[in-house]
Amino acid sequence: KAGVTQTPRYLIKTRGQQVTLSCSPISGHRSVSWYQQTPGQGLQFLFEYFSETQRNKGNFPGRFSGRQFSNSRSEMNVSTLELGDSALYLCASSLAGISSYEQYFGPGTRLTVT
Amino acid sequence: AQSVTQLDSQVPVFEEAPVELRCNYSSSVSVYLFWYVQYPNQGLQLLLKYLSGSTLVESINGFEAEFNKSQTSFHLRKPSVHISDTAEYFCAVEEAAGNKLTFGGGTRVLVKP
Repeated sequence: KAGVTQTPRYLIKTRGQQVTLSCSPISGHRSVSWYQQTPGQGLQFLFEYFSETQRNKGNFPGRFSGRQFSNSRSEMNVSTLELGDSALYLCASSLAGISSYEQYFGPGTRLTVT
Repeated sequence: AQSVTQLDSQVPVFEEAPVELRCNYSSSVSVYLFWYVQYPNQGLQLLLKYLSGSTLVESINGFEAEFNKSQTSFHLRKPSVHISDTAEYFCAVEEAAGNKLTFGGGTRVLVKP
C-alpha cells in the first residue's frame, strides 16, 4: 500500500506570494491533518479535514487555509507569505480520524520563503 | 489545553548503552500518548502508543514507554541503542475526544560508536 505522498517536496517562494501544497493520503484514509515544523516553534497543528469538512483547527492566522476533495486528497494554501512561514509542512492521514487510529505522516514539503 | 514537555533537547549516548527520553504532559482531560521518531529529511514514524490498558507499551525495535498517570509522564527507554537509533524523538498527546496531536519540542539522540 502506498504511503502518504506530498508534493512538491521542496519549494522556494518570495515574500508576499502565495503557495499551495498537496497531500495524498493512504488509500481508504478519510482524515488528513496538517502540521508545521520549525526549529523555533517545533511541530504545531494547523488543521484537520475529514470527509471534506474542516473538523479541527490550530492557532494559525487566516492566511493558512486548506481543503479536502472527495477523494480525500487535501491541499493547504498560504497566502501573503512571510519569512516566518519557512518550515517543513507535514501532512498525516488516518482511517477515520478517531484518536485510536494511527496517523501516518508523509515526508513533508520544505518551504523556504525569501 | 494540553501541553507536552520533553526535558532533554539532546541526548548523546554510546552504542549499546541504555537511553531514557523524558516526557511530561499536562491535560485536564483523558489523553492518548505517542512517541514518534523522525530520521533526517523524513517525516514522522509512530514508535509506540498508549491508548488504554497496560501502562507499559513496547515497540518492535526494542523501545518501551511507561504511562504514569500520577506523574503525568510517558518516558521512553531502550536498554541498548544502535547507531541506527540516531534520530529525533517526539512525544505527543491527543485528547481522547479529538484528533489533534500536541507535540513536545523533541529530543535529538546521537548514538556514538
